[in-house]
Amino acid sequence: DAMVIQNPRYQVTQFGKPVTLSCSQTLNHNVMYWYQQKSSQAPKLLFHYYDKDFNNEADTPDNFQSRRPNTSFCFLDIRSPGLGDAAMYLCATSSGTESTDTQYFGPGTRLTVL
Amino acid sequence: GQNIDQPTEMTATEGAIVQINCTYQTSGFNGLFWYQQHAGEAPTFLSYNVLDGLEEKGRFSSFLSRSKGYSYLLLKELQMKDSASYLCAVLDSNYQLIWGAGTKLIIKP
Repeated sequence: DAMVIQNPRYQVTQFGKPVTLSCSQTLNHNVMYWYQQKSSQAPKLLFHYYDKDFNNEADTPDNFQSRRPNTSFCFLDIRSPGLGDAAMYLCATSSGTESTDTQYFGPGTRLTVL
Repeated sequence: GQNIDQPTEMTATEGAIVQINCTYQTSGFNGLFWYQQHAGEAPTFLSYNVLDGLEEKGRFSSFLSRSKGYSYLLLKELQMKDSASYLCAVLDSNYQLIWGAGTKLIIKP
């Protein structure tokens, strides 16, 4: 089945230790998104790629970086995780950015920072 | 600024009907989405409205009034599995999705 896959589902890292989260999709969608969601809060968009065009949200900290080596894969790198970065990280895809292009989400990676 | 408002939490009884409201103030409007999110899981798409009126999809219906900046999600014949958070999100003029914080729906037997 076509889907959005995130690995790992749960990630534990230490304060300041770099961590990489991965997302892959079999939907052949042009757009991939990374969101951060903390408990009982709305998802917060960190960045999105339209094909290889990278779009960084103005308030995304420099500590967060992203890579999209090809259509299917996208990575979220957290260079020096702090306690405040503990959250659920959601990857989503859409075929485009038009109004009818629904975003489809992966299962998320829950990050714990010790 | 851009803002999406929805109640934090609602409680309803199994078999009943519940309406979850959402009001929005955004820079432009290109459609409104409702997503369902079970605890610890990713949001899943429920509905999309871009024109005024009611869209019905099985037990779920979604309504939009653009002039009032208002939408609601109506859930009928509630089941225990409907216990989840329901997120309202608006696509603004830049085609950015602006999210509400979600309404936690608790279903009681």
